[in-house]
Parts: sequence; C-alpha cells; structure tokens
Amino acid sequence: AQSVTQLGSHVSVSEGALVLLRCNYSSSVPPYLFWYVQYPNQGLQLLLKYTSAATLVKGINGFEAEFKKSETSFHLTKPSAHMSDAAEYFCAVSRMDSSYKLIFGSGTRLLVRP
Amino acid sequence: DADVTQTPRNRITKTGKRIMLECSQTKGHDRMYWYRQDPGLGLRLIYYSFDVKDINKGEISDGYSVSRQAQAKFSLSLESAIPNQTALYFCATSDRTSGRDNNEQFFGPGTRLTVL
Repeated sequence: AQSVTQLGSHVSVSEGALVLLRCNYSSSVPPYLFWYVQYPNQGLQLLLKYTSAATLVKGINGFEAEFKKSETSFHLTKPSAHMSDAAEYFCAVSRMDSSYKLIFGSGTRLLVRP
Repeated sequence: DADVTQTPRNRITKTGKRIMLECSQTKGHDRMYWYRQDPGLGLRLIYYSFDVKDINKGEISDGYSVSRQAQAKFSLSLESAIPNQTALYFCATSDRTSGRDNNEQFFGPGTRLTVL
C-alpha cells in the first residue's frame, strides 16, 4: 500500500532563509508525487508534481523538489523564504491503480518570521 | 469566477440534523471528489465519482452519502450529523483525459462544518 509521511507538523524559518519541507513516501512501484499548498481560508493549490521525467521538479513561487528513489523522498525546498510563503503544505502520492486517487500526508505548516 | 465552488462556506448545525454540502464546477471535468480535513490528519477521501453513474466510497465514507446530479454537481450529505464530523470539507475535480501521472486535482475553497 502507498503512504506518505511528512516530518514536522510545523516548520519555522526567518524571512530570507532556506525552506526545507520533508516528504517520504512508501510505494512498491515508481510513484507520481505532488506538493500542494493551502493558504489561510483557501483550498489547495498545486505547487509542483513529479511524473517520472526529470528528478528535479520546479514549481510555482520559486519552489522545487527533488525525487530521490534511493531515499524514497520528495522534499520541497525554496532558497529564500518570503512572508507570503506562510501556509500549510501537503505532499501527496497518486494511487497506482485505476482509482486515480491521491493519498495525502498530514501536512506541514510553514511559519515565516520577519 | 471560481472554477470549483462550494456552498455553504460555513455551517453550524446540531447533532442529528441532516446536512447537505454542495459542489459545482465549470471546468468540464468528469471526476469529482469529496475530502475532509482534520488538523494533523491531512485530507482523507470520503467519496469520489468518475461520472454521473459511477460513484465510489473512499476511505472514510461511513456516515456520509453523495449524489452526482450532473457532471458539474456533486453533493455530500450527512444524514444525521454528529460532533466528530466537525471538519473542513473540500470538493475537488480532475480530468479524465489526464493520465494517472497527471492526476492534478483542483480544489474548491472548502466548507467549514461545525456540529454541536
């Protein structure tokens, strides 16, 4: 069965500092992986996705993620945090069957300090 | 205008009441989903539908029912609401023409439901 683990329910960084949000997955076959962001009082918005092409995936707002099969990881990074990045971030894996379902991690809330 | 809309945005109700949450989309997508979000648990799938005649249970369907009235409308009902159904509920859509590797789901703004 596939699953997603996000380490750290809360991450706090200073404005301008590196952002690193961790995601590990469990899958018996190569997965398709997604990062979504949820701003306060809004729905989820796709940041980026890995679909077995390039292992380094660039997304919106300066975020990127690297797929590392040996580590079963898909960590999200941004070189320099901005106050507007404060939000909750969800990693998700697509089920490898005909259901087209997404399995979400528990989420990481990013706090950006001035 | 938003592509995926949910009504109501906020609802407070009492235990035992029947509640319906509605979702409409103008994206022309055939697949629709209902999730609930609880703090620390992420999003969990309640029901999903691939077309009007194809409705499937998700991982936490007990206590919920759905209706796909049209391709663009997917409603979630709580027949007899209980306090542990207090949560944030999201509707989402995706497009059949996208493969599993492109299963990007588009989310509505959510409905915050409180059951007293």
